[in-house]
Amino acid sequence: DTAVSQTPKYLVTQMGNDKSIKCEQNLGHDTMYWYKQDSKKFLKIMFSYNNKELIINETVPNRFSPKSPDKAHLNLHINSLELGDSAVYFCASSQQGRNEQFFGPGTRLTVL
Amino acid sequence: KNQVEQSPQSLIILEGKNCTLQCNYTVSPFSNLRWYKQDTGRGPVSLTIMTFSENTKSNGRYTATLDADTKQSSLHITASQLSDSASYICVAFYGNNRLAFGKGNQVVVIP
Repeated sequence: DTAVSQTPKYLVTQMGNDKSIKCEQNLGHDTMYWYKQDSKKFLKIMFSYNNKELIINETVPNRFSPKSPDKAHLNLHINSLELGDSAVYFCASSQQGRNEQFFGPGTRLTVL
Repeated sequence: KNQVEQSPQSLIILEGKNCTLQCNYTVSPFSNLRWYKQDTGRGPVSLTIMTFSENTKSNGRYTATLDADTKQSSLHITASQLSDSASYICVAFYGNNRLAFGKGNQVVVIP
């Protein structure tokens, strides 16, 4: 009964490939997020969706495209992967009006 | 600029000792502030939330303080345990559901 789950946990791929990371939450939250954590452990928000609508889009290359088929899912698709995309990507969710975010276990992406 | 600065970047402490982590924020308008603990290989987990009117709050051996005038917060760990080894991240919430992350304090507790 994991609250926020991500798949896969590890992803190793070649430069130029397209890959997706999936996220699901079973907390009934209406807001979901994607974060990127670099090698220096700095967490940076990428996107935020509320009720399937994009509400935060930080300065992220348009190779990154989030997709929210429903409130419980927020997937991240990355086109034409680059070496600099290597990082740990965290999904999180929260209930609107309450800013405590619940994070998933992370997906470690390595681009070769 | 809306940002959060944390210090020290990293520290090593002996098991059983206390330590204090600092967080300075410059966000506006300030809403509240959270401390998260991130164990290696895991996602961050919320430890405590500090609102504008709260000065201190405890969660077990963790005690957070907030000084809204000086825009500073601290996290004090009492009688540290090996399981306290982690990164502690300060997050300030402001404006319309915006947030600013600190870079974290890396704590290593040694026996």
